[in-house]
Amino acid sequence: GAGVSQTPSNKVTEKGKYVELRCDPISGHTALYWYRQSLGQGPEFLIYFQGTGAADDSGLPNDRFFAVRPEGSVSTLKIQRTERGDSAVYLCASSLEGGAHPLSGELFFGEGSRLTVL
Amino acid sequence: AQSVTQLGSHVSVSEGALVLLRCNYSSSVPPYLFWYVQYPNQGLQLLLKYTTGATLVKGINGFEAEFKKSETSFHLTKPSAHMSDAAEYFCAAKANTPLVFGKGTRLSVIA
Repeated sequence: GAGVSQTPSNKVTEKGKYVELRCDPISGHTALYWYRQSLGQGPEFLIYFQGTGAADDSGLPNDRFFAVRPEGSVSTLKIQRTERGDSAVYLCASSLEGGAHPLSGELFFGEGSRLTVL
Repeated sequence: AQSVTQLGSHVSVSEGALVLLRCNYSSSVPPYLFWYVQYPNQGLQLLLKYTTGATLVKGINGFEAEFKKSETSFHLTKPSAHMSDAAEYFCAAKANTPLVFGKGTRLSVIA
C-alpha cells in the first residue's frame, strides 16, 4: 500500500479482555516497529522486527503483551487480560533499513490504533 | 541509556513570528537526531533528520534544525510561523537502540 495501515483505528474493550491490533507496513519495508503513546507523552518503544523475527522486544511492559510477524510483512500486537492502564494509542512504523545502525533510520508511521479499556 | 528532553510542553506564537522548539539529548555515543510532526488525527511525519555531515539541516515546510554537540541540542526553528504549522512536534534520537522520543511540544499559532 501507499502507507502504513493500522486496524482498527479505534477499539473499546472491557478490562480482562483480549485484543489484537494489526499493522500492514509499506510494501518492501523489512523493519517494523510498535510504539505506544499515552496521553501527553511521546511514543514509547515496544518491539522491533527485522523480517519475521523480533530483533528487540525490550520495550514490552510485561508478558501480557506479545507481537508476531509470521511472514515478514503484516504484524499483530496481542494484549491479554487488558487493564485500564493499557489504554493508549498504539503506533506502528516501518522502514527500509533495519538493525541497530541504519543509514537513515527514517520510520514511516501509521495513524495508530486507539485502545480504550473500560 | 539515551534520553530526549523537550523544553516546554506547549509553545504559542503569533503568525509570522519565529518558531523555536527546544530539544536536548543524552547519549553515550553520537546519535542520529530527528524531528517528527503530528497533525491532528494523522500519523507522525518526518520533518528533518541529522545523521552525519552538515550540522544545520533543512526539512520540509521551511523548518530547520542545528545539531550542537557541545550543547547536546537539536533545536527546531522556522523564521515565520504559519497557521498550518499548528501541531505536535516530537524530537527523537537513535544510537544503538530503537528510536527514543521526547514528550512532545504542542505548537499553537495565533492569528
